[in-house]
Amino acid sequence: AQSVTQLDSQVPVFEEAPVELRCNYSSSVSVYLFWYVQYPNQGLQLLLKYLSGSTLVKGINGFEAEFNKSQTSFHLRKPSVHISDTAEYFCAASYSGAGSYQLTFGKGTKLSVIP
Amino acid sequence: DTEVTQTPKHLVMGMTNKKSLKCEQHMGHRAMYWYKQKAKKPPELMFVYSYEKLSINESVPSRFSPECPNSSLLNLHLHALQPEDSALYLCASSQVGGQSYGYTFGSGTRLTVV
Repeated sequence: AQSVTQLDSQVPVFEEAPVELRCNYSSSVSVYLFWYVQYPNQGLQLLLKYLSGSTLVKGINGFEAEFNKSQTSFHLRKPSVHISDTAEYFCAASYSGAGSYQLTFGKGTKLSVIP
Repeated sequence: DTEVTQTPKHLVMGMTNKKSLKCEQHMGHRAMYWYKQKAKKPPELMFVYSYEKLSINESVPSRFSPECPNSSLLNLHLHALQPEDSALYLCASSQVGGQSYGYTFGSGTRLTVV
């Protein structure tokens, strides 16, 4: 079965410091990768997505992620975090051939920004 | 309009009640989804509609009954729920073949079964 692993369940970081949230996916010939953010009592908002092409993907709110096929990773980064970035972050993958509609989610990483 | 709207935002219901959750989108998406999310867990897929027809039912108990009356609306009818069904219910939509486009999620309905 396909899987997505988020290596850290919680990441505390001081305001204005850089952050990296790690995500690994099970290898596949064709995979699409996503990062979603969920603020308390909210739905999921798409931060960025990798479909093909350039391995460095830029998203909203200053986030970016790098697709690394050899390491089957899709880590999310931000050079300087703000208090407002405190939220739950989900990495997700969609695999070609697994059904057009299936999103496989990681278990989530809680980012806590410390003033 | 790039939103998925869910109503109500909060719902408290007894185990003998019948209620419905509603979801609406006007992005022309022809795939719509219901997800269930428990606290501190990722969303779990419940149902998928494609072109207004049910295409995936992830072995969800029959006390949950989805309905897609048209291409913009998705309902989830609830009956005889259990306290363990308390969760955040998320609606999402996408283009058909959604994996290459991503999904747009609503803000969810926070359901409490008492």
